[in-house]
Amino acid sequence: QLQMQESGPGLVKPSETLSLTCTVSHASLDSTTFSWGWLRQPPGKEPELIGSSYSAGPAYYNPSLNSRATISVDTAKNQFSLKVTFVTGADTAVYFCARLGYSGLVTVWGQGTLVTVSS
Amino acid sequence: IQLTQSPSSLPASVGDRVTMTCRASQNINNFLNWYQQKPGKAPEVLIFSASSLYSGVPSRFSGSGSGTGFTLTITSLQPEDFATYYCQQSSIPPYNFGRGTKLEIK
Repeated sequence: QLQMQESGPGLVKPSETLSLTCTVSHASLDSTTFSWGWLRQPPGKEPELIGSSYSAGPAYYNPSLNSRATISVDTAKNQFSLKVTFVTGADTAVYFCARLGYSGLVTVWGQGTLVTVSS
Repeated sequence: IQLTQSPSSLPASVGDRVTMTCRASQNINNFLNWYQQKPGKAPEVLIFSASSLYSGVPSRFSGSGSGTGFTLTITSLQPEDFATYYCQQSSIPPYNFGRGTKLEIK
């Protein structure tokens, strides 16, 4: 059964770069059916799609992040990653990695990891 | 595309039949999905394409609607159904979510 696990720092300073990795088990990232993405959910709010990418591209990014997000897929390691630059307190959230199916349907989620932006 | 979910809070009892709604600010045909989220957990998909039951989801969950108006119905509420429910439009990126309906024990 497909499993996804996020990893990375839980605390990031303002203006620095948030970096997270998602390790995928029991499925290959080398798929043309599914894309691999990141969502986040600030405390008490709804989830928000950050972006997604197929293994060979292209990637889609939510305009709300103002070009600060980058998603990279490493099929050799069966991992994909997220970088968000110039973070502020508004980037504090639980970050989920996920598998997306047709038209943005999120079919598999990681357990989520809380990232706090604070000095 | 703005999604408006109502009510924001829905008190109910085990065994009840409940309905919650999601309204889109423009026509999204049937590109509407429903998720359930329990505290501290990731959301899980229940319904996709407005009315299709996702694999493994109990049949007491059903979805309907098209265009701008959608409903999620749960018949015979079970204790494990008390959670927050989100709709998501999958018509146009960024495939945003509504603000949720919290189903609470009355």
